[in-house]
Amino acid sequence: GQNIDQPTEMTATEGAIVQINCTYQTSGFNGLFWYQQHAGEAPTFLSYNVLDGLEEKGRFSSFLSRSKGYSYLLLKELQMKDSASYLCAAPFGSGYNKLIFGAGTRLAVHP
Amino acid sequence: DGGITQSPKYLFRKEGQNVTLSCEQNLNHDAMYWYRQDPGQGLRLIYYSQIVNDFQKGDIAEGYSVSREKKESFPLTVTSAQKNPTAFYLCACGSGSTDTQYFGPGTRLTVL
Repeated sequence: GQNIDQPTEMTATEGAIVQINCTYQTSGFNGLFWYQQHAGEAPTFLSYNVLDGLEEKGRFSSFLSRSKGYSYLLLKELQMKDSASYLCAAPFGSGYNKLIFGAGTRLAVHP
Repeated sequence: DGGITQSPKYLFRKEGQNVTLSCEQNLNHDAMYWYRQDPGQGLRLIYYSQIVNDFQKGDIAEGYSVSREKKESFPLTVTSAQKNPTAFYLCACGSGSTDTQYFGPGTRLTVL
């Protein structure tokens, strides 16, 4: 079966660093996505990891460990506009043509 | 200006009525998807289509129907058989397989 777990909520202070974890169990593996979703809006793509290690994109970085079934999203120099839900998702199914999503982690950034 | 659009943004319907949600894309993507999002839950797949005139059920297809007559369009009908239709509905498109999915702005459906 397929399952993705993330913490429900996190809070952090403006300017700080926060790490949002995601553990997954999938039959077969073909990468892991992170999306950002502001309240009432569409998810937007942040990153896709298929190999182990850290990938950095400006203030956001994403890490993957395939052996541990674990990923995290690292947000640096937090800004108020980073307050959003962060969704972890993994492809599955024949041809990996579907995504299973975690419930999302709601991040609140405070001044 | 390429993108994926959904209409309307907000929709109200009375119990017992069918309603159709629109999804259009001009990104030339083969695959299109419909998801439902409820508070505190992740996105759940309703239906998906990888090519024109073909579509498959997702995890929660009961009470919904779709069509894919054109590459650009993938409308979703919420039928009266759907017991709890109030939710945020998201349409997405992609090139299939592990390609990134791009989401429309969503339709918030409320059943009165």
